[in-house]
Order: sequence, then C-alpha cells, then structure tokens
Amino acid sequence: DTEVTQTPKHLVMGMTNKKSLKCEQHMGHRAMYWYKQKAKKPPELMFVYSYEKLSINESVPSRFSPECPNSSLLNLHLHALQPEDSALYLCASSQSGGAPGELFFGEGSRLTVL
Amino acid sequence: GENVEQHPSTLSVQEGDSAVIKCTYSDSASNYFPWYKQELGKGPQLIIDIRSNVGEKKDQRIAVTLNKTAKHFSLHITETQPEDSAVYFCAASSSNTGGFKTIFGAGTRLFVKA
Repeated sequence: DTEVTQTPKHLVMGMTNKKSLKCEQHMGHRAMYWYKQKAKKPPELMFVYSYEKLSINESVPSRFSPECPNSSLLNLHLHALQPEDSALYLCASSQSGGAPGELFFGEGSRLTVL
Repeated sequence: GENVEQHPSTLSVQEGDSAVIKCTYSDSASNYFPWYKQELGKGPQLIIDIRSNVGEKKDQRIAVTLNKTAKHFSLHITETQPEDSAVYFCAASSSNTGGFKTIFGAGTRLFVKA
C-alpha cells in the first residue's frame, strides 16, 4: 500500500464553523506533513510531525490546529477560518523524519471558506 | 529564508522535442533535490531526485543535473509525449532539528503538443 488517503475531498465551511481534515497512511512512514496549495502556486509547508511529535510549525495561524493521534493518522482542525484560507490542503508522508527523502502526497482536500 | 526559483513558468514543446526546466536554491544546507509532477486534481508525485553528492542522474527519458557550487539544478525530459503535460515543481530539502523541510519552486506548466 503506497497511498496517502485524505478525507474529505471537498469541504465548504462558514467562518464560524469547526471542521477537521483527516489523513491516513499505512506505509510505516514516521513523518507526516501538511501543505497548503493555492491555485497555480506551489505547495507551502505548514506543519511537520516526526515520530508523532510536532517538529516544525511554519508560523501558521492558530486557527489551524494539527494533531497526530498515532503514526498512521494526521488531522488538521479548522476553526474561525477566513475566506483567504480557501485552498487545497495536501497531506504527505515520508519514510523518515530525519534525512530528507521522497514525500508521498495524498490527493488533497479542497477547502472553500464562505 | 530558504528560496527556490524556477524557470520558465510555462513551457510549450512539440511532441518528441526536449524540455528543460531550471532551478536555483539559496540555502547552502540543502542536500536533497527532488522533482515532482502534478497532474490536474492530484497531489504532486516524485519523478526523479538527486542528492548533493551526485552531479547527474538519469532515469529513462528523464535526467537531472546538479551544480552545487552555483546552486543550480535542472530537469531534462527527452522525447516528450502528450502525457508529459503537467505542472512540474523542483524542490530543495534540508535537515532541521526534528525533521526536514522541503521548499518548492513556483512550478513550470509544461504543454506537449501532439
């Protein structure tokens, strides 16, 4: 199994809603990532979890709250978002959180904030 | 901070021609340079990578070269086919405390005309 699975594929939420994005991998990878991608732009790193611990936070606003319940799961909790937060949210995993290596991406969750 | 510049932003070639995409990076600590292909509605997928102790790597129609002194690296696709049409991202990775960061270039939209 070489897949990273993200749910939901599409999400529409109001600025006062609370929602979560979910990501799952069963490759035994020890690092997981959240990236944000706006239309016609590259993925931008948000968070890195290495061995289930948050190791990198790229100064992301607190309305985005990541969680790593175990080595296979990664969540992104969303609260009080702004319309400019509308984007494709990509989850990725890598074999190790140490030496750089290939990122395996999911297909993303497309978020629209009204 | 870390920066990866990528050119051109758009590239149109005839089927069978070669395509070249060039990138430069700013972080001297970068030691891993992957190239990702992103098709519409999908997450990025690794097509080739190179580490800092290697100058060139080839995989069938795809090759990557790295000049560490000049902080340049390039992707070469030969005998292009319509299915090569996609967005291509170069990236540079460096180790950080607790994990590694992968920073993407702005992307090149490649069109291969049949």
